Amino acid sequence: DTEVTQTPKHLVMGMTNKKSLKCEQHMGHRAMYWYKQKAKKPPELMFVYSYEKLSINESVPSRFSPECPNSSLLNLHLHALQPEDSALYLCASSRGGDQPQHFGDGTRLSIL
Amino acid sequence: QQQVKQSPQSLIVQKGGISIINCAYENTAFDYFPWYQQFPGKGPALLIAIRPDVSEKKEGRFTISFNKSAKQFSLHIMDSQPGDSATYFCAAILGTSYGKLTFGQGTILTVHP
Repeated sequence: DTEVTQTPKHLVMGMTNKKSLKCEQHMGHRAMYWYKQKAKKPPELMFVYSYEKLSINESVPSRFSPECPNSSLLNLHLHALQPEDSALYLCASSRGGDQPQHFGDGTRLSIL
Repeated sequence: QQQVKQSPQSLIVQKGGISIINCAYENTAFDYFPWYQQFPGKGPALLIAIRPDVSEKKEGRFTISFNKSAKQFSLHIMDSQPGDSATYFCAAILGTSYGKLTFGQGTILTVHP
């Protein structure tokens, strides 16, 4: 079992739907991350939150909207996604800086 | 300069053999080098990691060798087992950039019984 919990595990949505992905960690980590992973590729960084503030946005389209309600929770709000957005979305957390990141098992997202 | 190059793309090893995966980097500002193991349908799991002031680190059957002057590091899996069959990613962390991870392209390891 991973210490970073992501829900739901699977999500199928239409291009006009609005949905949210959730991530939770109780390791006291102050940095949290969203990644997108396509099949047979490494994870690609989307967003970084440090001490609950958005620190890095890797030029992600506005149809992806992150939110960090508190130090343990991270959300990713989805709206008007495209079929090419179908992927595994991973959340990770770390103590920050040069400390390793710990990943959840991801949400498998399919856009119809 | 942010790239981490990983080889080989795929590797087939017999049970009990040694699996070796190599990575090279350009940015000397990287200050932490983790390896991740990923099984199908799961997220990457931290396997072992090393800092650039250490030349070798061993944890069980897994060893990282680090050559700072050559800007290369490698993962050795001793006594490889079928359960080790997975995708392995090397990575590098830039601590000054909120721990931003740069991943290698991954190696698919298959260990035959």
